[in-house]
Amino acid sequence: GDSVTQMEGPVTLSEEAFLTINCTYTATGYPSLFWYVQYPGEGLQLLLKATKADDKGSNKGFEATYRKETTSFHLEKGSVQVSDSAVYFCALSATNAGNNRKLIWGLGTSLAVNP
Amino acid sequence: GEEVAQTPKHLVRGEGQKAKLYCAPIKGHSYVFWYQQVLKNEFKFLISFQNENVFDETGMPKERFSAKCLPNSPCSLEIQATKLEDSAVYFCASSQTSDRKSSPLHFGNGTRLTVT
Repeated sequence: GDSVTQMEGPVTLSEEAFLTINCTYTATGYPSLFWYVQYPGEGLQLLLKATKADDKGSNKGFEATYRKETTSFHLEKGSVQVSDSAVYFCALSATNAGNNRKLIWGLGTSLAVNP
Repeated sequence: GEEVAQTPKHLVRGEGQKAKLYCAPIKGHSYVFWYQQVLKNEFKFLISFQNENVFDETGMPKERFSAKCLPNSPCSLEIQATKLEDSAVYFCASSQTSDRKSSPLHFGNGTRLTVT
């Protein structure tokens, strides 16, 4: 079945460091890919998305490129801030028949950014 | 409204008691999803609705869990006879219908259920 694998955390960085959180997936067909972020004590927010191969999603300085050849959607940011401390979830939207829009989730990667 | 509203924010129940959680999706969104976050990071899909119709309930523990989305009312998730392992944060999400493949889910802030 469809699945998402994220790098395990926690990830601890200093402010202004470069961030990469790896995400790979297995899926039949052509899923859409998402990164969600969960700040402490809050619900999930969509960070960025990509709907087809080679698409690049970007938001708030974060980027991820949909790589079909490597089945990856790694999240990157050139210079992290303390306010980026959160849990990041990679997810895919299954494209099976019918209207089922269940998201398949990675287990999340906790990021802590120190000043 | 413009955001998914979940109530209550916190809910404490003794083992065996009933718990009922509510979710008001964003106005105009036809799909509603419930997720359970037991461990800090792990999300488990429970059930989805298209309007008032159950769409996918493969994640629901059917013996004690039930859910409804009725017209002109918030959606609800009910747990009869709660158990300790039901302690979790329950998230509701909604999405539009126009673009099924890539329309993102909008999440509420969750209801933290503690079963003692």
